Amino acid sequence: QQPVQSPQAVILREGEDAVINCSSSKALYSVHWYRQKHGEAPVFLMILLKGGEQKGHEKISASFNEKKQQSSLYLTASQLSYSGTYFCGTVYSGGGADGLTFGKGTHLIIQP
Amino acid sequence: EAGVAQSPRYKIIEKRQSVAFWCNPISGHATLYWYQQILGQGPKLLIQFQNNGVVDDSQLPKDRFSAERLKGVDSTLKIQPAKLEDSAVYLCASSVGVADTQYFGPGTRLTVL
Repeated sequence: QQPVQSPQAVILREGEDAVINCSSSKALYSVHWYRQKHGEAPVFLMILLKGGEQKGHEKISASFNEKKQQSSLYLTASQLSYSGTYFCGTVYSGGGADGLTFGKGTHLIIQP
Repeated sequence: EAGVAQSPRYKIIEKRQSVAFWCNPISGHATLYWYQQILGQGPKLLIQFQNNGVVDDSQLPKDRFSAERLKGVDSTLKIQPAKLEDSAVYLCASSVGVADTQYFGPGTRLTVL
């Protein structure tokens, strides 16, 4: 059962902020965020672990709400290079394996 | 540090033919994953190896797909025989260990005609 991402797509002007959400119906151990540009491999952004703190670097940060089994990715003062499809990948609690279950992705378009 | 290497980058075959993909993970990474990404969707895990042992292959269509990692380094994913619905990008990823960050290779784009 894959996590649900919202919104499906968002169009921003350069400099605007965006929030992408990832929700799970199952208890999560960790959430991994990736950005993928067309025809390229997913690029790792950050990982959030159960019980861990909010993470971030530069203008991209993320949070993990254990009570809601939800993670949010925050993009501040967006740049043209932020365009792409953002995926959250989840690892569920209680399993021995840690292969990621990905959401359907959020398409982000940054316009100048 | 070199990233995850995959070959070939592109492959076109006809249905019912066989195909194999190769992956060389980042040096020192014990865990290796194969994902299938159909156009417009997120990657879907096919199989996970820890060294040369299988950790999870619950989503691998075992009637036609097989994978091996004989020496705990390189891995090969095979499809035999291929179907039209196997058209996708096959991504290999590796991590230092279980629950660590996974780094993806460039993928192999398979088209089945």
